[in-house]
Amino acid sequence: GQNIDQPTEMTATEGAIVQINCTYQTSGFNGLFWYQQHAGEAPTFLSYNVLDGLEEKGRFSSFLSRSKGYSYLLLKELQMKDSASYLCAVRAVKLSFGAGTTVTVRA
Amino acid sequence: SAVISQKPSRDICQRGTSLTIQCQVDSQVTMMFWYRQQPGQSLTLIATANQGSEATYESGFVIDKFPISRPNLTFSTLTVSNMSPEDSSIYLCSVKEGEDYGYTFGSGTRLTVV
Repeated sequence: GQNIDQPTEMTATEGAIVQINCTYQTSGFNGLFWYQQHAGEAPTFLSYNVLDGLEEKGRFSSFLSRSKGYSYLLLKELQMKDSASYLCAVRAVKLSFGAGTTVTVRA
Repeated sequence: SAVISQKPSRDICQRGTSLTIQCQVDSQVTMMFWYRQQPGQSLTLIATANQGSEATYESGFVIDKFPISRPNLTFSTLTVSNMSPEDSSIYLCSVKEGEDYGYTFGSGTRLTVV
C-alpha cells in the first residue's frame, strides 16, 4: 500500500514563499505529482517528478528525493489566487493522493 | 492537454435511486479513471475503466454498486446504484496523458443523496 503525508494547513503572506512538504511510503514508485485544487473545482496538474532533483515551472518548483521518500512544492511570489488545496500524489501501480494541504494567502 | 466534459455537474437524488455520470474526452485515451472525493477529504480511486474489458475496482468498491461502462476510447459512464446519504460526494473522471501533463480531471459531479 501507500502512505502519503502532507500538512493540513499553511498560511502565508502575499508575495512570500511557501514550501509544502510531502513524505511517502510506497511499494514501488513510478512518479510523484502535485495538483492544485480550488474549492469546488477539479484538481489541475502542476508538476511531475520521477527522478531526484528540482523541477521548475515559473513560480512553482517541485523537488524529489526518492531515497528519502520526500518531495516538496515551492510556491514563490505568492498571489491571492494561489489560495487553494495542494495535493501530493504518488504513482506506483495506481495514482494515490495525499489528504491535501490548504494554503491560505493573506494580503 | 485533453479536455473532459463531465455531466451532470451536480444532482440531488433520493436514497435508493441510481445516478449515471458521463465523461466525454476530446481525444482517444486507453485508460480512464473514476475517483470519489468525500467532503473535506482527498481523492480515492474507485476503478480503472479500460475499453473492451471490465473495469478494475479498488478495494472497498464493487461492480454492483458502481457499474462502469467504457464503450469506446473517448467515453465512459459511472453509475452510483441504490444510493444512500453516505454516497454524497464529488465524483471525478480522469485520464492519463503523456508524462509531462500528468492526469487530467473532469470538472466533477457533486452528488447529494437525501
